[in-house]
Amino acid sequence: EVQLVESGGGLVKAGGSLRLSCAASGFTFSYAWMNWVRQAPGKGLEWVGRIKNKIDGGAIDYAAPVKGRFTISRDDSKNTLYLQMISLKTEDTAVYYCTTDYPRFIGSDSFDIWGQGTMVTVSS
Amino acid sequence: SYELTQPPSVSVSPGQTASITCSGDKLGDKYACWYQQKPGQSPVLVIYQNIKRPSEIPERFSGSNSGNTATLTISGTQAMDEADYYCHVWDSSTGVFGGGTKLTVL
Repeated sequence: EVQLVESGGGLVKAGGSLRLSCAASGFTFSYAWMNWVRQAPGKGLEWVGRIKNKIDGGAIDYAAPVKGRFTISRDDSKNTLYLQMISLKTEDTAVYYCTTDYPRFIGSDSFDIWGQGTMVTVSS
Repeated sequence: SYELTQPPSVSVSPGQTASITCSGDKLGDKYACWYQQKPGQSPVLVIYQNIKRPSEIPERFSGSNSGNTATLTISGTQAMDEADYYCHVWDSSTGVFGGGTKLTVL
């Protein structure tokens, strides 16, 4: 079964740091382009960033609100995606999802597989 | 930065057709996707590359994209289709979501 499982969320004070993980199973993780998407309480979806696979160069792109504060990385040997967050702000409070178009719709740049999300709460 | 605009809410009677729009500059030049999200659940892909539908998504869901508007159409809307719907595109290497539309079936 294709699955993504996020972990690492929690309560942190503004200015603090947190690292999220996304464990992938059921597909060849090293081939997938992986994304982080977040959703603040009662709000819409917001794309956070994407990391390509190493075959395609491994480029990483970020949304403007998180650029310079968030870092996306991957460990293909552990089938795991990471999101390192520093200098957290109260507006970063959200459910964080990892998602990918792989394997069913590879190259479509859609978000087919989603994890259950992990909640990050940044207090003032 | 690129922006997508959706109506905050759309209402439809059971069995009727619901149309949810997504507007953006030259949106028809991009591939649009649509996601359905029910309360407390992760989003579900219902349309990708403008018109394609994952096999598990009912045929009553369809998509189109031309000019400045992409449209998600739900024919014969059912109560189970009540949810939030989000459009999504890529602008260069940046992902962009619309603000979401709450579909009410009443």
